[in-house]
Amino acid sequence: KAGVTQTPRYLIKTRGQQVTLSCSPISGHRSVSWYQQTPGQGLQFLFEYFSETQRNKGNFPGRFSGRQFSNSRSEMNVSTLELGDSALYLCASSPLGAENTEAFFGQGTRLTVV
Amino acid sequence: GIQVEQSPPDLILQEGANSTLRCNFSDSVNNLQWFHQNPWGQLINLFYIPSGTKQNGRLSATTVATERYSLLYISSSQTTDSGVYFCAGFNTNAGKSTFGDGTTLTVKP
Repeated sequence: KAGVTQTPRYLIKTRGQQVTLSCSPISGHRSVSWYQQTPGQGLQFLFEYFSETQRNKGNFPGRFSGRQFSNSRSEMNVSTLELGDSALYLCASSPLGAENTEAFFGQGTRLTVV
Repeated sequence: GIQVEQSPPDLILQEGANSTLRCNFSDSVNNLQWFHQNPWGQLINLFYIPSGTKQNGRLSATTVATERYSLLYISSSQTTDSGVYFCAGFNTNAGKSTFGDGTTLTVKP
């Protein structure tokens, strides 16, 4: 059974640009959650999607957005990048959501904003 | 949101030693999990343990949900156990999973 796949693995962007990250969950899992990890703030919840609907959202500005497709694959987008957006972005998939079932993480996308 | 306190923040052990990592929650959580973050950043699942005790080889975990804490035991530690260990729990009021700041374990040969 394939695990959670995140692409790309590494990304370098310039301030002001936008970026799109992708997450393919484990087959059959309907929930995808996104997290940002930085040395200063640790692991912070961004949002959760379940069956193409955003179910929960963390405390991030509107520049951070996401969506989920009918095949459960999810994308997150960050517009107008700032230096502080440099981070490891992790996605987690679970069958029914983090409230009810075990979550499994992908390898992450390491974003550097210069 | 809830607070998740992990202790100790840093732990240095000699190979073969045992250790206990602790995770305290300020509010009730369900779906508590323990992870080990590998050097490439991926979070590896160790235990899914909303309550009770589980064992997997040299590792075991106990969650006492009513007292809002969980413990991760590592016995006969090996250098490959080095890394950062995280606990996370889902709080219904917050509507999300919250992670602790992690315990950085260094096992010396």
